[in-house]
Amino acid sequence: EAQVTQNPRYLITVTGKKLTVTCSQNMNHEYMSWYRQDPGLGLRQIYYSMNVEVTDKGDVPEGYKVSRKEKRNFPLILESPSPNQTSLYFCASSWDRNQPQHFGDGTRLSIL
Amino acid sequence: GENVEQHPSTLSVQEGDSAVIKCTYSDSASNYFPWYKQELGKGPQLIIDIRSNVGEKKDQRIAVTLNKTAKHFSLHITETQPEDSAVYFCAAAKPTSGTYKYIFGTGTRLKVLA
Repeated sequence: EAQVTQNPRYLITVTGKKLTVTCSQNMNHEYMSWYRQDPGLGLRQIYYSMNVEVTDKGDVPEGYKVSRKEKRNFPLILESPSPNQTSLYFCASSWDRNQPQHFGDGTRLSIL
Repeated sequence: GENVEQHPSTLSVQEGDSAVIKCTYSDSASNYFPWYKQELGKGPQLIIDIRSNVGEKKDQRIAVTLNKTAKHFSLHITETQPEDSAVYFCAAAKPTSGTYKYIFGTGTRLKVLA
């Protein structure tokens, strides 16, 4: 089954404790992206990647890092999480940047 | 700045009636307009999309119309069913710096009353 898998689905942690949210897709997609979803703000792009070792900032990249060492994986790293990063995060992938995106089921992060 | 306005924020319809959700975008360079359905605890799922060289697209009970001059596009769901209840998001995308920039609307919560 074609899917985008995120882990963990839920995480409660404390300020400053580094965390990584993993994202994996099994569709051989080249384009991958991370979004955060906040009430009243819709989805905002954090980072995207057009292929292995090619990543770039989206609209709200501050406080986040990503890497794309393999085509299928695109982890999101919060080196020093802060409460304003409490949000619902989605990973997405697509064949190309202007093709329909497939989303994972989301990761709800709470930073205390 | 660039934005996409989506209305209404909530919509309740009787089962069997039609539902219409409207979005207006600000950047005339936008040329790809997907619509997503998000169910509780799930990620957004593409239900239909339209590109700027087309004015209307239909897929069974779902249709999307695009008015480039007015910079707005709409989602139409006919013969609504309880399983259509979800949050719907529109997006406008434009080519920029070798990629595509997506701006999402703030979502419409649709309730279909049985």
